Amino acid sequence: RKEVEQDPGPFNVPEGATVAFNCTYSNSASQSFFWYRQDCRKEPKLLMSVYSSGNEDGRFTAQLNRASQYISLLIRDSKLSDSATYLCVVNEPSGSARQLTFGSGTQLTVLP
Amino acid sequence: NAGVTQTPKFQVLKTGQSMTLQCAQDMNHNSMYWYRQDPGMGLRLIYYSASEGTTDKGEVPNGYNVSRLNKREFSLRLESAAPSQTSVYFCASSELLRTTGNTIYFGEGSWLTVV
Repeated sequence: RKEVEQDPGPFNVPEGATVAFNCTYSNSASQSFFWYRQDCRKEPKLLMSVYSSGNEDGRFTAQLNRASQYISLLIRDSKLSDSATYLCVVNEPSGSARQLTFGSGTQLTVLP
Repeated sequence: NAGVTQTPKFQVLKTGQSMTLQCAQDMNHNSMYWYRQDPGMGLRLIYYSASEGTTDKGEVPNGYNVSRLNKREFSLRLESAAPSQTSVYFCASSELLRTTGNTIYFGEGSWLTVV
């Protein structure tokens, strides 16, 4: 079983739609969580950290469910420019440099 | 705002050739990394350096060596390139924050093809 799992998609949604991705992790002691965005042939870029109480940044909302060991990303009012691959990242307990684990990514295409 | 800079961006090698990927960061981060990304495989850690003067193997270190030259620079060397090393290579650095843990920043990537 992978340590961090994501539905690879692709998710194809119309402009203006709301879309949500989940990411499950296996280590219950994981300490910190992130969502990254990766455009085609580009590097991953930090989208947002995920806080225990949930957090929002404009049209993006991130949630953490420790009991069920998953994090989620909700995108409201999707734009064409949101088309990308979304990676979840989990930092294992010690927070050491070694213990960042990446999901394989969920591909989103927003259609006109 | 340079962040993480890696060179070269594109390289074609013949099997058996050697080369070094260079990486530098200007964010004063202690930790630096080399990842490779292959279709359907996600990002896989090759080597990392938790601080200047230390390096450790990641998930897929075979066929690679690294040097943490100073706090800014972390290079990746392929001694004898193989077609299986055709990939996109990302250098990264991170800062450990009390509130959010290890926040990692990537360079733009190096596209390597071994023929």
